[in-house]
Amino acid sequence: GAVVSQHPSRVICKSGTSVKIECRSLDFQATTMFWYRQFPKQSLMLMATSNEGSKATYEQGVEKDKFLINHASLTLSTLTVTSAHPEDSSFYICSALKTDSYTFGSGTRLTVV
Amino acid sequence: KQEVTQIPAALSVPEGENLVLNCSFTDSAIYNLQWFRQDPGKGLTSLLLIQSSQREQTSGRLNASLDKSSGRSTLYIAASQPGDSATYLCAVRQGGKLIFGQGTELSVKP
Repeated sequence: GAVVSQHPSRVICKSGTSVKIECRSLDFQATTMFWYRQFPKQSLMLMATSNEGSKATYEQGVEKDKFLINHASLTLSTLTVTSAHPEDSSFYICSALKTDSYTFGSGTRLTVV
Repeated sequence: KQEVTQIPAALSVPEGENLVLNCSFTDSAIYNLQWFRQDPGKGLTSLLLIQSSQREQTSGRLNASLDKSSGRSTLYIAASQPGDSATYLCAVRQGGKLIFGQGTELSVKP
């Protein structure tokens, strides 16, 4: 089956620093990956669509300079939260599309202090 | 704009009971619908995928139905177990994106 690995699972950082989250497809190639944000007790909100070899497509209201996405290979996409602030604290989840089904990573809990 | 709604938001049942989770969507022009399970602080596990041309899918104790014309899907869980306790999310695929409902938080009491 399709497996997506996401690291780190949990990170605490100081306000003003940057944090990088990695999303890897382990047993398949993913030309497209997706990044979501989830607030407590709420559903997943799509932040951006990551396309291998090209620029990411951001959803309305998501700051592309704040949330940098790089999809340099068919198995790796990264999300960098730049100059993080406490309001960026959230649960971030990536997913990749294989055939017709989406497979999700295990998520990253980001806490900015 | 597609909107996905799940009812109820939370559900508590005794072990062994059969239950139904509901999902509705406003735009019937979907590619497929997928049901996921999410444990606290974890990612999503895919349970069932129903193509727009299909009416239902089954996996073990789970059965998902799709009525695209009325914009409804149900997830039926038979003989519920405490291990089924989790949040269940439905999502429709449209325009290359997944649009999620808010989820149903299920608690199965021993």
